Amino acid sequence: GAGVSQSPSNKVTEKGKDVELRCDPISGHTALYWYRQSLGQGLEFLIYFQGNSAPDKSGLPSDRFSAERTGGSVSTLTIQRTQQEDSAVYLCASRLNTDTQYFGPGTRLTVL
Amino acid sequence: AQSVTQLDSHVSVSEGTPVLLRCNYSSSYSPSLFWYVQHPNKGLQLLLKYTSAATLVKGINGFEAEFKKSETSFHLTKPSAHMSDAAEYFCVVSDGIGNNRKLIWGLGTSLAVNP
Repeated sequence: GAGVSQSPSNKVTEKGKDVELRCDPISGHTALYWYRQSLGQGLEFLIYFQGNSAPDKSGLPSDRFSAERTGGSVSTLTIQRTQQEDSAVYLCASRLNTDTQYFGPGTRLTVL
Repeated sequence: AQSVTQLDSHVSVSEGTPVLLRCNYSSSYSPSLFWYVQHPNKGLQLLLKYTSAATLVKGINGFEAEFKKSETSFHLTKPSAHMSDAAEYFCVVSDGIGNNRKLIWGLGTSLAVNP
C-alpha cells in the first residue's frame, strides 16, 4: 500500500512482559517518528529517526523504551517490562523533505 | 520553545452552521503550522498546513485556516458543518529546522455535530 502501516493494530499484554511494535513507513521516506497518545491527550513525541540513526531520543519516557530502524525503512519500538501506564495508542509517522508527516493507524497497547 | 494552545477542548455545533476551532501558538521564528483530524478508530489525517506562503490556507473537506502573526493564531473554520465532521482536531506547530524537526501538538478539540 501507499501509506504508513503499523502492526499489530491491537496488543493486550500482561504487566511485566515485553512488547514489540512495528512500523512500515511510506517507501522512500527518510524520516520516521514515534508518538504516544494516551486517552484524551494530544500526541507525545517519543523518538525521531533520520535514516537509521536517531538524532532525537528525548521523548522516550524511560530506559524500558527503545527503538531501532534498519535499512532506512522498517522501525520497531520495544517496551520492556511493560507497566499499566504504558497503555496508549502508539503512532508512527514518516516524512520525506517537507514538514508534513504522514501517520499510520496506530497500535493500541493495553497492559493488564 | 514552540508551543500550541487549543482554546476549546470541546465544541458542539448544529449541522449546517459554521465551525470555529481556535488555536494559538508561540514560536521564536516563522513556524509551519498544521491542522490534523482524527476520526474515531481512524488514523490521523492532514487537513491543511501553513508554510509562510498565503496566510489563508485551504484544506480538504471545505476547511480553511488563517495565519495571523499579530495574534499568533491559526484558527480552523468551515462555513457549514456536516455530520461527518465530528472528530478530534489537533493544531500542530513544527519545531526545529532542517532535518531535525518534530511536531508539537495541541491537546485537541473534540467537535460534535448535532442534527
